[in-house]
Amino acid sequence: RKEVEQDPGPFNVPEGATVAFNCTYSNSASQSFFWYRQDCRKEPKLLMSVYSSGNEDGRFTAQLNRASQYISLLIRDSKLSDSATYLCVVNLGTGNQFYFGTGTSLTVIP
Amino acid sequence: NAGVTQTPKFQVLKTGQSMTLQCAQDMNHNSMYWYRQDPGMGLRLIYYSASEGTTDKGEVPNGYNVSRLNKREFSLRLESAAPSQTSVYFCASSDGLFQPQHFGDGTRLSIL
Repeated sequence: RKEVEQDPGPFNVPEGATVAFNCTYSNSASQSFFWYRQDCRKEPKLLMSVYSSGNEDGRFTAQLNRASQYISLLIRDSKLSDSATYLCVVNLGTGNQFYFGTGTSLTVIP
Repeated sequence: NAGVTQTPKFQVLKTGQSMTLQCAQDMNHNSMYWYRQDPGMGLRLIYYSASEGTTDKGEVPNGYNVSRLNKREFSLRLESAAPSQTSVYFCASSDGLFQPQHFGDGTRLSIL
C-alpha cells in the first residue's frame, strides 16, 4: 500500500470555479503535512503547510482529518495561473520518511 | 536570492559512465535531500543528510552515493550509470526534518 495516495485527475474546471483535492495517508504516526505545486517540467514549490486546525491562505484552504487520515486542499475562484499539478506530502517525523503523492493535475479553462 | 542551485541542468551519459550531480543551498539549512522523479511514481528519496557530517539512505539508494561536503553542498554520484537511472533529479533543503523542503530546479539525466 502506498504511503500517500492522490486522485491523479485530471481536473478540468472553468475559471472562477471551486475545486477540492483529497489525499489519504496510511500511517497514523504521520507528523507534518504539506501541499506543493509543480508546474510542467519545473521543481515542486511549497504551497502551504497543513495544520490540525485547518488553515487558509487567500483563495486556498487546507484541512487535516487525522481520524480519517486525509488532507484536503480547496481552491476558490480558480485562476488560469492555478493550472498545475498539486502534490500532497506527509512526513513521519524522520528524515527518510517524507512521502510525496504522485500529484493531482488541475487545468483551469478560460 | 538563489535558494537551491543544481548543476548541471541536463546531462546525457552512456551506460557505465560515472558522474556527480552538484547541489548547493544558501539558506543556511541543516538538512539536504536528493530525490528522483519518474512518471507515475512521484518523488522518491534517494539519500538525505540531516545535518553536516551525516548521510542516510532513503527509499531508493542503490546505485548512488552522496557526500555532504559542508553545510551548503550535497552531491550525488552515479558510479556506473544504468538506463534505469534515467530520471529527473531534484535536490532539496530544509531547516530541519519536520520543516518543508525547498527544491532546486532539477537535473534531467538520460542514460543511453
